[in-house]
Amino acid sequence: EPEVTQTPSHQVTQMGQEVILRCVPISNHLYFYWYRQILGQKVEFLVSFYNNEISEKSEIFDDQFSVERPDGSNFTLKIRSTKLEDSAMYFCASSTPQDEYGYTFGSGTRLTVV
Amino acid sequence: AQSVTQLGSHVSVSEGALVLLRCNYSSSVPPYLFWYVQYPNQGLQLLLKYTSAATLVKGINGFEAEFKKSETSFHLTKPSAHMSDAAEYFCAVSEGYQKVTFGTGTKLQVIP
Repeated sequence: EPEVTQTPSHQVTQMGQEVILRCVPISNHLYFYWYRQILGQKVEFLVSFYNNEISEKSEIFDDQFSVERPDGSNFTLKIRSTKLEDSAMYFCASSTPQDEYGYTFGSGTRLTVV
Repeated sequence: AQSVTQLGSHVSVSEGALVLLRCNYSSSVPPYLFWYVQYPNQGLQLLLKYTSAATLVKGINGFEAEFKKSETSFHLTKPSAHMSDAAEYFCAVSEGYQKVTFGTGTKLQVIP
């Protein structure tokens, strides 16, 4: 079964540093997403991306965040200046109407800001 | 706007007993509905999904869920709980191939 791959699985960074979380969506998928889950809380939508542009974003996704599809396979989430409250598990997901596997999540990157 | 309500943040069942995790949804269009399971410190694993085909959906690990439009419900069941079922379960809704909105989760404890 096709998978969404996220790297790294765990990243520790100092407050104020920039981080880039990487994702390789399923190859024939067209919609890409980032979600986050703060420890002990529910999974929250951050942003969706289609046709090389953001299609929707939540209020969490402020100017500190950006997404990019730098090539035909990767999808990245950048946090410019990390804050302690950015510590969370970040999930990438992808989907397409034509794919029988539907909406697939990666295994997540645990970001710890110290 | 789409939303999901999961009744019961914690559910305890005895090993071998019926598992019932409740989920009610709100959606302005016919929804896609999902159940995901999350084991400690791990990612989200899709248990099953409803995408407007059969109303009774069978998933992995013996779980199934029934879509009831009249009750706006999508409850998750398993006839006989196993110790390995202990995890957190999230119900989620999507209005098509757009964002997924998750419920607050239900932690399932299985008592030997």
